[in-house]
Amino acid sequence: KAGVTQTPRYLIKTRGQQVTLSCSPISGHRSVSWYQQTPGQGLQFLFEYFSETQRNKGNFPGRFSGRQFSNSRSEMNVSTLELGDSALYLCASSQRQGGPYEQYFGPGTRLTVT
Amino acid sequence: AQTVTQSQPEMSVQEAETVTLSCTYDTSESDYYLFWYKQPPSRQMILVIRQEAYKQQNATENRFSVNFQKAAKSFSLKISDSQLGDAAMYFCAYRPTFDYGGSQGNLIFGKGTKLSVKP
Repeated sequence: KAGVTQTPRYLIKTRGQQVTLSCSPISGHRSVSWYQQTPGQGLQFLFEYFSETQRNKGNFPGRFSGRQFSNSRSEMNVSTLELGDSALYLCASSQRQGGPYEQYFGPGTRLTVT
Repeated sequence: AQTVTQSQPEMSVQEAETVTLSCTYDTSESDYYLFWYKQPPSRQMILVIRQEAYKQQNATENRFSVNFQKAAKSFSLKISDSQLGDAAMYFCAYRPTFDYGGSQGNLIFGKGTKLSVKP
């Protein structure tokens, strides 16, 4: 099976712009989670989608949003970019939600905001 | 709220030697899962090993094993016969068994331990 794919791999945006990141889960996986990784804050949970519904959400402002499509592919959007949004954004997929189901991570999208 | 603490920001080990990475966590749940993830310089996060809290037996995966002390809320990773390819960031993570929704329903990571392997 193909692994989790994320596009684009690298992105440079200007403060105030918006950005959309894409994640394609492993075939058959219905849950997609997003994480933000920065040197200062480490790995922080953004949100999780299952069957096109947002099931969990981390402590991030409303500028961060996402959605999941019927084929389980997911996108996350960040509006009005700030310098502090520069980070590695990781997507992970699993068969279902909850601890028993292993999360498989994608290679990440490196976002730089200037 | 659950938290995960990795007290060793950096560790170093000689090739072929054994190293232990520490992790402690805090939770009021009795049923949960614990994980060690490896993130090499290529950035792809890889699952190394996982432990179900209801299992007393420590998990083992080839050269990787854990010491799970539920009462002490401790979950250390032992890497035996260290290899150059083991050099990476290692993250300890916690996840509740059941999804209650909200912000704690997913993986909660520690800050990570950077492992260097000397030839």
